Amino acid sequence: KAGVTQTPRYLIKTRGQQVTLSCSPISGHRSVSWYQQTPGQGLQFLFEYFSETQRNKGNFPGRFSGRQFSNSRSEMNVSTLELGDSALYLCASSLGHREETQYFGPGTRLLVL
Amino acid sequence: DAKTTQPPSMDCAEGRAANLPCNHSTISGNEYVYWYRQIHSQGPQYIIHGLKNNETNEMASLIITEDRKSSTLILPHATLRDTAVYYCIVRGDRSNYQLIWGAGTKLIIKP
Repeated sequence: KAGVTQTPRYLIKTRGQQVTLSCSPISGHRSVSWYQQTPGQGLQFLFEYFSETQRNKGNFPGRFSGRQFSNSRSEMNVSTLELGDSALYLCASSLGHREETQYFGPGTRLLVL
Repeated sequence: DAKTTQPPSMDCAEGRAANLPCNHSTISGNEYVYWYRQIHSQGPQYIIHGLKNNETNEMASLIITEDRKSSTLILPHATLRDTAVYYCIVRGDRSNYQLIWGAGTKLIIKP
């Protein structure tokens, strides 16, 4: 099976812009979770989608949003980018039962100038 | 949320077993212990998980103490490619089954 894929792999934006990142889960996986990793804060949970519905949400401002499509692919959007949004954004997929193991993609590295 | 404590760094000689400890003294009965590793800011790689019993797969072994307050990840024959940050995570209903990450252990395998 192909693993989790994320596009784009690298992205450079300027402050105030918005960005959309994409994640394609492992075939058959219905849950997609998003995480942000920065040197200062480490890995932090953003949100989780299951069957096109947000099931869990971390402690991030409303500028961070996401959605999931009927084929389980997911996108996350960050509006009004700030310098502090520079990070590695990771997507993980699982079958959907909450206790199932999550498998990660390679991440999208976002640099905000 | 249940938290974990890991040493910030460890060294191990190539070919030897690497034993990575983790304390999770506040773990509850239905929470699992998960191990992931991350190499060079790539996506984290799942290694192994367990609830009560010791577990083994092709990558590693997980030894969980009887009181479940600590565990050890064992890489039986470490290679240079095992150099990575290793994360021990307790996961269950108290965290809504999401992965709550600590700082991990930086494992350096030396030739």
